[in-house]
Amino acid sequence: AQSVTQLGSHVSVSEGALVLLRCNYSSSVPPYLFWYVQYPNQGLQLLLKYTTGATLVKGINGFEAEFKKSETSFHLTKPSAHMSDAAEYFCAVSESGNTPLVFGKGTRLSVIA
Amino acid sequence: DTAVSQTPKYLVTQMGNDKSIKCEQNLGHDTMYWYKQDSKKFLKIMFSYNNKELIINETVPNRFSPKSPDKAHLNLHINSLELGDSAVYFCASSRLGDGYTFGSGTRLTVV
Repeated sequence: AQSVTQLGSHVSVSEGALVLLRCNYSSSVPPYLFWYVQYPNQGLQLLLKYTTGATLVKGINGFEAEFKKSETSFHLTKPSAHMSDAAEYFCAVSESGNTPLVFGKGTRLSVIA
Repeated sequence: DTAVSQTPKYLVTQMGNDKSIKCEQNLGHDTMYWYKQDSKKFLKIMFSYNNKELIINETVPNRFSPKSPDKAHLNLHINSLELGDSAVYFCASSRLGDGYTFGSGTRLTVV
């Protein structure tokens, strides 16, 4: 069975500071990995995904994530936080890219002016 | 054009009632899902359909019954609503190579 662990249910950073949201996964097969963002009272928006190939994945809004198989990690980073980045972030894994996503519990990102 | 659309966006109803949530996707995807997001924001898969056939049915009360009339639609019918059913329900679709697309959610409140 697959699982996702997001370390830190709440992360607070200053505007302009580095954003680092941690995600570790468990999977018996090569995983497909995703990061989604959810703004208050809205749906889920895909930030980026890793399927195969390059392990450093660039997404929207300046976010990127690196797949590290040896560490079973897929941490999300952004060099400089903006106020508009404040939201809930979810890491997710699937077996094949067409089977149900398994989500982590989410990390709420707060950005302080 | 909305890729995955759910209706209604908000649903307030009394305990014991029966309600349905509709979902349609225009992406040509072959797999559709229903997820439940609880008050702590945790997202859990409820059902998965592939080409109109039920693939996965997680531990969900049998008061919840999905129906897929065709590949583009996956509706969720809920009988005898309970307070604990209050949540946000998300429909999603996928196809290998395309990734997953989510609807904007239906906020169900049972009073």
